[in-house]
Amino acid sequence: DVKVTQSSRYLVKRTGEKVFLECVQDMDHENMFWYRQDPGLGLRLIYFSYDVKMKEKGDIPEGYSVSREKKERFSLILESASTNQTSMYLCASSSWTGYYNEQFFGPGTRLTVL
Amino acid sequence: SQQGEEDPQALSIQEGENATMNCSYKTSINNLQWYRQNSGRGLVHLILIRSNEREKHSGRLRVTLDTSKKSSSLLITASRAADTASYFCATDKAAGNKLTFGGGTRVLVKP
Repeated sequence: DVKVTQSSRYLVKRTGEKVFLECVQDMDHENMFWYRQDPGLGLRLIYFSYDVKMKEKGDIPEGYSVSREKKERFSLILESASTNQTSMYLCASSSWTGYYNEQFFGPGTRLTVL
Repeated sequence: SQQGEEDPQALSIQEGENATMNCSYKTSINNLQWYRQNSGRGLVHLILIRSNEREKHSGRLRVTLDTSKKSSSLLITASRAADTASYFCATDKAAGNKLTFGGGTRVLVKP
């Protein structure tokens, strides 16, 4: 089974802190994604990566950066956390066969910024 | 604005009944996918339908796609309490390179 793991289920940070969210997948997928999910707004794409060291901005990249040094790992970085970044963060991965195929999601990290 | 919009936003049915939810989108797509999310958890892929397909089945799930109306429907037959979840459609735009998710339909199946 494809497995996508995220470093924490729950995280509490203070305003101004640098926050790292880690995601690891074990299926050799080319594509990895970071979303945030907020009530009434659905899933919104923050960043995605289609190869090692490659990244593209999603719909809401402001305040975030990402890192993909290895194929299996995709990190989301909040350089200076703010209260409006309190949210559920979901990581996903997928293979690429000329089309975007199904995405496999991790369990999510619920981040609270105080 | 979101590419996919689900309707209704919430649905409450009795166990054994069918549940139908719809998804509308705005631009041409390569494929459309449906996902389920149980409370507080990650999303699970249910079914993918390509733009040249009109209907697809998987177990108790039936998905239709009408590209002329830019809409899709997900039917869950003989619902069970375990089907209680939020359901999302996601589209892969023909001119784009990422999935865009709708706001979801919350389904409650009462025993």
